[in-house]
Amino acid sequence: KQEVTQIPAALSVPEGENLVLNCSFTDSAIYNLQWFRQDPGKGLTSLLLIQSSQREQTSGRLNASLDKSSGRSTLYIAASQPGDSATYLCAVRVTGNQFYFGTGTSLTVIP
Amino acid sequence: NAGVTQTPKFRVLKTGQSMTLLCAQDMNHEYMYWYRQDPGMGLRLIHYSVGEGTTAKGEVPDGYNVSRLKKQNFLLGLESAAPSQTSVYFCASTQGWTGEQYFGPGTRLTVT
Repeated sequence: KQEVTQIPAALSVPEGENLVLNCSFTDSAIYNLQWFRQDPGKGLTSLLLIQSSQREQTSGRLNASLDKSSGRSTLYIAASQPGDSATYLCAVRVTGNQFYFGTGTSLTVIP
Repeated sequence: NAGVTQTPKFRVLKTGQSMTLLCAQDMNHEYMYWYRQDPGMGLRLIHYSVGEGTTAKGEVPDGYNVSRLKKQNFLLGLESAAPSQTSVYFCASTQGWTGEQYFGPGTRLTVT
């Protein structure tokens, strides 16, 4: 069974700092990996989707990379803002239409 | 364009009661999913559907049933609720096999 891990579980940074969130998975046979943000009491908002054939995706201040062979993905957030405070989740899609999620990194950006 | 909507937003049930959660999407997506989210465990897939009239089991299907009679709707049923089913339930949809997942706002269910 695929295991998805996100470390650290919580992160606190001052505003303006660049930061990296990590996602690791145990089985490299994935179809894609998706990053989400989740605000307290809300649903998940999609940030970036990386297909297995891609190495990275960018959207605004966000950049996500994927290294299937090492079972890792990183989400880079440039020039962090207080509005970026949320929980960030990664999910991998595997064969059989199954998805596996990490437990998330709770990010706090301090003004 | 509402995206993915879920009804109800909150519900409290007594052990043994039944209920149905409704998920609706207006994006004409083929694939739909039901997840539960529990503290410290991440989201886990309960059931999914790859098209109208089809359903399949996910990682944690026991105690739940689903139906997809219309392409835009995916229903999750609890026939006899148990306290272990206290959770937040999310519905999601994708356009195709490798598409981006879009999530609904969730239903918070408490079983006493």
